[in-house]
Formats: sequence, C-alpha cells, structure tokens
Amino acid sequence: EPEVTQTPSHQVTQMGQEVILRCVPISNHLYFYWYRQILGQKVEFLVSFYNNEISEKSEIFDDQFSVERPDGSNFTLKIRSTKLEDSAMYFCASSAFVTVIQETQYFGPGTRLLVL
Amino acid sequence: AQTVTQSQPEMSVQEAETVTLSCTYDTSESNYYLFWYKQPPSRQMILVIRQEAYKQQNATENRFSVNFQKAAKSFSLKISDSQLGDTAMYFCAYGGATNKLIFGTGTLLAVQP
Repeated sequence: EPEVTQTPSHQVTQMGQEVILRCVPISNHLYFYWYRQILGQKVEFLVSFYNNEISEKSEIFDDQFSVERPDGSNFTLKIRSTKLEDSAMYFCASSAFVTVIQETQYFGPGTRLLVL
Repeated sequence: AQTVTQSQPEMSVQEAETVTLSCTYDTSESNYYLFWYKQPPSRQMILVIRQEAYKQQNATENRFSVNFQKAAKSFSLKISDSQLGDTAMYFCAYGGATNKLIFGTGTLLAVQP
C-alpha cells in the first residue's frame, strides 16, 4: 500500500541553524501539507500546497518557514533560522484531491526536530 | 471558525471490553468530513475511520465504529473487543471547505491486560 515517507526521522540542530525536512507524498496525490505537534500538545496545521504554490498557511507559518516541491516526488519544509520553540514533531501529509470539501489526508511517520 | 473538543484526556479499558471516546465540534459549514486518527507511541498518525457529514449511516471499520450525531455536532468513536495494540492517543479531526484539518487535543487510551 502506498504511503507517505519522511526523512530524517530525527534531527538535532543548534538554534539559528537552517533545517530542511523532506517528504515523499503518495505518488498520485495532488495536495500536500505540513503539520507540527509540540510534545504533549495537539497537531497544528502549518501549510497546504497545491499546483506548486501555497494554498493556505497558518499564523505559525511565518517568514522563517518555506515549502518547496523541487522535483516530481519530494516536498520540503525549510526553517531558515531555528528557534528553541520550533522543537516538535513535523508531519507531512498528502491527499488525492480536494473537491468541495476535505478529502482524506494520509500522514507520514514524522520528523522529530530538536533545537538546542 | 471551526473547533474540535475532546473532553476526555485519558481513558482506560480492559482487554476485550468496549470503550467509547467522545468528540464534539462546532462549525457553520454544511459539508465536511470527520476523522479519527490513532497515534501510538511511535507517534505516527494513522487513520482509523472517517465519516462524511452528508451520510446518515454511521461509518464502521472492523472493530471501530462511530456514532455521528450531526444536529448535536457529536462524533464519538467506539472500539469493540479492545486489544493491547489499541493503546494510543486518539485524535478527532475536522476537515471542511479549507485545506486544513483541525484536531482536538486527543484522548490517551490505555488498554489493560
């Protein structure tokens, strides 16, 4: 069964460093998402991406964040200058399409980011 | 704005018993989906079941079923014949006209042997 994959599974970085989190969505899916989950808290939406552009972003997704689909398979989240509060689990998700309402999103296993 | 509320932070159930997890939501939209995701200790998010709001029939997936009460904006998850592998955090989520899922705060379910 097709699944969303994410690399790396864990990343430790120093405050102020740039990190890139990578995702390979399910191959025939058209919509891609990033969510984050701070330890012990609920999952929060960051950004959605369709047709090579951001379709929606949350207040969390400020100028230090960016997303890109550099080729036909990868979808990346870049954090330019990490802060301690960026420590979280980052989930990538994809869905086949969005009609009038939300289609099912399938999640990857997550990347655990720790900022020191 | 849409909200999702899970009022049970933790629950416990004996193996082979049945347990129901509660979820309520608030929305002004008429068309939407509701989901239950499971997050085991590995922290991966696994889809358990989904319900389309326009369908009156409650969704079922093997031992998992929902009680969807649209007028009351309630969406509970019933797990029958609980197994040790069901131990996890369970999140209720709403998906509507926007592209994002809105999650509740989760219910930590412990299945006791």
